[in-house]
Amino acid sequence: AQSVSQHNHHVILSEAASLELGCNYSYGGTVNLFWYVQYPGQHLQLLLKYFSGDPLVKGIKGFEAEFIKSKFSFNLRKPSVQWSDTAEYFCAVGNSGGYQKVTFGIGTKLQVIP
Amino acid sequence: DTGVSQDPRHKITKRGQNVTFRCDPISEHNRLYWYRQTLGQGPEFLTYFQNEAQLEKSRLLSDRFSAERPKGSFSTLEIQRTEQGDSAMYLCASSLSGRANTGELFFGEGSRLTVL
Repeated sequence: AQSVSQHNHHVILSEAASLELGCNYSYGGTVNLFWYVQYPGQHLQLLLKYFSGDPLVKGIKGFEAEFIKSKFSFNLRKPSVQWSDTAEYFCAVGNSGGYQKVTFGIGTKLQVIP
Repeated sequence: DTGVSQDPRHKITKRGQNVTFRCDPISEHNRLYWYRQTLGQGPEFLTYFQNEAQLEKSRLLSDRFSAERPKGSFSTLEIQRTEQGDSAMYLCASSLSGRANTGELFFGEGSRLTVL
């Protein structure tokens, strides 16, 4: 069974600070990795994903994530956060195969202070 | 708006009553998923459809829960004899399959259930 662990449940940053949210996963096979974001009052939406190839993936709004296979990690980063990045961030893992059963972490609430 | 739509957005019910939620996926998406999210947790997988076929059900989906997708378009999730522990946000998501599948799930805004 696949599982996801997110290390930081609530993060408070000032604008322009750098962000790194930790994510570790466990799964015995080939995985697809995702970060989803939920802005206040909105639905979950995809921020970025990794399927194969370059382990450093770039997503929307200046976010990026690095897949480190040896560490089973897929940490999310942004060099300089903005107030509009205030949201909840979910790391997720999908099994690479016939269909995507996606398992989510418990989420990290990010609050950016102006 | 041509995204995933869910109805109702909020439902308050008394323990023991039955409730039904509806999900309309993006029209060309043949995969449909139901997830449940409780406070402080991430979405938990409940069940998945490919067209009208229900291909997987989580152990979380007790006998009181039933989901259908009769014509491969919209889906319903029914909870019978609701319990307070059923209080949660019920999320629907859809996606493409096959070569068109990018792996991205498109979520609706959810149906929030409160069982008194």
